[in-house]
Amino acid sequence: DVKVTQSSRYLVKRTGEKVFLECVQDMDHENMFWYRQDPGLGLRLIYFSYDVKMKEKGDIPEGYSVSREKKERFSLILESASTNQTSMYLCASSSQGAYQPQHFGDGTRLSIL
Amino acid sequence: AQSVSQHNHHVILSEAASLELGCNYSYGGTVNLFWYVQYPGQHLQLLLKYFSGDPLVKGIKGFEAEFIKSKFSFNLRKPSVQWSDTAEYFCAVNARNTDKLIFGTGTRLQVFP
Repeated sequence: DVKVTQSSRYLVKRTGEKVFLECVQDMDHENMFWYRQDPGLGLRLIYFSYDVKMKEKGDIPEGYSVSREKKERFSLILESASTNQTSMYLCASSSQGAYQPQHFGDGTRLSIL
Repeated sequence: AQSVSQHNHHVILSEAASLELGCNYSYGGTVNLFWYVQYPGQHLQLLLKYFSGDPLVKGIKGFEAEFIKSKFSFNLRKPSVQWSDTAEYFCAVNARNTDKLIFGTGTRLQVFP
């Protein structure tokens, strides 16, 4: 069974802080994704990585960056956290191929005070 | 740009009632279609997917969905819901030339005993 592990279930940070969200998958998947989930808005893609050190912007990349130094790990970075980044963040991974399903982690509920 | 519409935001049913959740997408080319489910406190998981062949696909837990190309629809159905089906349901689509998914805004289903 695919396991996608997000480092924290809940996180509270202050405005202006640099925040790191970590995600690890154990299935040697090429693709990894970061989404944010907000009520009434569904899931919105922040960034996508299709290989080590390769990344592509999603629909809402502003205020975020990512790092993928190893295949199994994909980090989301909030350069200077703001209150409008309070949200649920979901990491996912998949094999390459548009028909391949994505496998999700449990999510990190991030509050920016 | 691709988009996915889920017109039912919140559905309330009694056990044994039939369920149909709407999903429409806007993309003229060949697509892959997915339904994901998020049970309370759990991660998103795949319910079913369509990428070719029989337009009526069966998923886990008695769910099925029908792809109607002429209507750009992929509605989810279940003949008789159970209390344990209480969850949020997301429709997602991608074009055949990309591994990225576009998600709908989700439908919250509550089933009462």
